Amino acid sequence: KNEVEQSPQNLTAQEGEFITINCSYSVGISALHWLQQHPGGGIVSLFMLSSGKKKHGRLIATINIQEKHSSLHITASHPRDSAVYICAVPGGGADGLTFGKGTHLIIQP
Amino acid sequence: DADVTQTPRNRITKTGKRIMLECSQTKGHDRMYWYRQDPGLGLRLIYYSFDVKDINKGEISDGYSVSRQAQAKFSLSLESAIPNQTALYFCATQQGRGEQYFGPGTRLTVT
Repeated sequence: KNEVEQSPQNLTAQEGEFITINCSYSVGISALHWLQQHPGGGIVSLFMLSSGKKKHGRLIATINIQEKHSSLHITASHPRDSAVYICAVPGGGADGLTFGKGTHLIIQP
Repeated sequence: DADVTQTPRNRITKTGKRIMLECSQTKGHDRMYWYRQDPGLGLRLIYYSFDVKDINKGEISDGYSVSRQAQAKFSLSLESAIPNQTALYFCATQQGRGEQYFGPGTRLTVT
C-alpha cells in the first residue's frame, strides 16, 4: 500500500506570501493528484500530474518521480486560498486514491 | 447543474438502522468510487466500480455494501449503522485514469 505523507499539517501565512506544501509517497505511481477542500466540505481536483510541472493561475504543481515527491506552490496568496490541500496517489484499486491527511492552510489579510 | 450529485446531503440516523446514500453522475464516466472522510484520518476508499457488472472492495468495506444500478448511479448502503460510521461520505467519478470528480458529500451521523 502506498503511504502518503504531507507537510506541513497546518500553515498560517500572510496575504501575498509564497506558499509551499509538500507531498511524498512510498511506491512508484503513474500520476499524482492535488485536491482542494473548502470549509464547506466540497473537494475539487486542482492538478493531476505524472511528470514535470503544471501551472494554473497562481497555483503550480511539480513532481519528481525519482524522488517520489511533489510540491504545490501558491504565488501571491490570498485569503480565498484558505482551504485544506490534499495530495493523493493511485493505490486503492482501479486507481482508487490513497490520500494524505491534508494541509490546512489559512491566509490572513 | 452539478455533474456529480449525492443524496441526502445530511442524515442523522440511529444505531441499527439501514441507510442508503445515493450518487448520480451526468459525466458519462465509467468508474465510480465511494470514500469516507474522518477527522485526522483523511479520506479512505470504501468501494469502487469499473462498470455496472464490476464491484470491488476498497480499504474499509466492512459494514458497507454497494449497488451500481446503472452507469450513472452508484449507491452505498449501511445495513446496520453503528456510531463509528459517523463520517463525511464522498462519491467520485473518473473516466479511465483521468482526474476524479467528487460529489458534494453526505454528512452522516449515527447516534
